[in-house]
Amino acid sequence: SYVLTQPPSVSVAPGKTATITCGANNIGTKSVHWYQQKPGQTPVVVIFYDSDRPSGIPERFSGSNSGNTATLTITRVDAGDEADYYCQVWDNISDHVIFGGGTKLTVL
Amino acid sequence: QVQLVESGGGVVQPGRSLRLSCVTSGFTFSSYGIHWVRQAPGKGLEWVAVISYDGGNKYYADSVKGRFTISRDNSKNTLYLQMTSLRAEDTAVYYCAKDSHYHERKTFYDLDYWGQGTLITVSS
Repeated sequence: SYVLTQPPSVSVAPGKTATITCGANNIGTKSVHWYQQKPGQTPVVVIFYDSDRPSGIPERFSGSNSGNTATLTITRVDAGDEADYYCQVWDNISDHVIFGGGTKLTVL
Repeated sequence: QVQLVESGGGVVQPGRSLRLSCVTSGFTFSSYGIHWVRQAPGKGLEWVAVISYDGGNKYYADSVKGRFTISRDNSKNTLYLQMTSLRAEDTAVYYCAKDSHYHERKTFYDLDYWGQGTLITVSS
């Protein structure tokens, strides 16, 4: 089955750039979506179709996808960005939605 | 505004059954696929199932296939999840979530709106 691999945790100082990766075989051929989930809240899409940003999501959030790695980048990180982040794809071989294991972003 | 409201959660014994409902509003329910996603306490997101806009296609995670059944009633703007042979490992918050794509039967995309979730605890 198709597996999305994320680092369990990423730490970054305020004002710096956070990079969260999502690795899988030929993930660049799929559309990747990213969710932010703050404690006690429901997930929110922050990036869809690799790099599109829903209305209301700051421009500090961006995404890319190529080869075997998709990346979520958050610039000028602040304490409000502390959350779990999940990548997600639709696998048309298994006809399954696949979520990555999630990455906990800590702002130091 | 788009709303999805789950109900039907609670405590249930292993081996028993339960049916969840997800009542929706604020969008044309009959035009979108809808997913169930669960999250065990302190764990990550796990996709459970999806049903196409017309109910014609249904797909399940391997962990629930044969035990759970997703269905919808487009006249009531409501999604269901019938769960049987429940196990301790099914304990989780269950979310319903709308797929972003219109009139898709075979391929699904990002989940753009989520309900608040309903907690299922499977325990004797």
